[in-house]
Amino acid sequence: QSALTQPASVSGSPGQSITISCTGTSSDVGGYNYVSWYQQHPGKAPKLLIYDVSNRPSGVSNRFSGSKSGNTASLTISGLQAEDEADYYCNSYAVISYVFGGGTKVTVL
Amino acid sequence: QVQLQESGPGLVKPSETLSLTCSVSGDSINSDYWSWLRQPPGEGLEWIGYISHSGTTKYSPSLKSRVTISVDTSKNQFSLKLDSVTAADTAMYYCARGAGWYNYWGQGILVTVSS
Repeated sequence: QSALTQPASVSGSPGQSITISCTGTSSDVGGYNYVSWYQQHPGKAPKLLIYDVSNRPSGVSNRFSGSKSGNTASLTISGLQAEDEADYYCNSYAVISYVFGGGTKVTVL
Repeated sequence: QVQLQESGPGLVKPSETLSLTCSVSGDSINSDYWSWLRQPPGEGLEWIGYISHSGTTKYSPSLKSRVTISVDTSKNQFSLKLDSVTAADTAMYYCARGAGWYNYWGQGILVTVSS
């Protein structure tokens, strides 16, 4: 199963909004509403930000939001803060497997 | 508060079996599905497989021939065995709660495959 495609890096200034894309196929992202997003700081375990495309777990800031259109899912971070600088990964159900994106490094300028 | 803790050898020789255990506290292992994932140094995440409290398993197609995940409900633990390891299996291994999305993670354990 091929990995989902994410941009290698995205940057923004404090207070801005940024969007990270996650492109798959009709066999994964486009076929099911089972996309999740994770934030990972260096040396730490990933943290769940979004599940089932757009649902936010309790305790996750509402600055993080998820959406999907066709075969591409997106994570938007609004009101960018210094603490948002991290790696971000998308994940999707793909029938016989679960596939991750290659990760996006977010830099706060 | 749900906590997961991986344990096992940090060094495994090539061709041998990698064995890890995940101890769960603050939650019953009967409550959900439980997964193993890994992350090679400097690379992205990879799903390995999951197990339910009743023993239902699902494995990554690329690892299926070498992976076994088991559960011990009496100890509130689940385990990973990966056979015939090579250097490509060197990674941080994480246990997590869930199947498909993972809301609790262990801190991870670095396993190096080397002679």
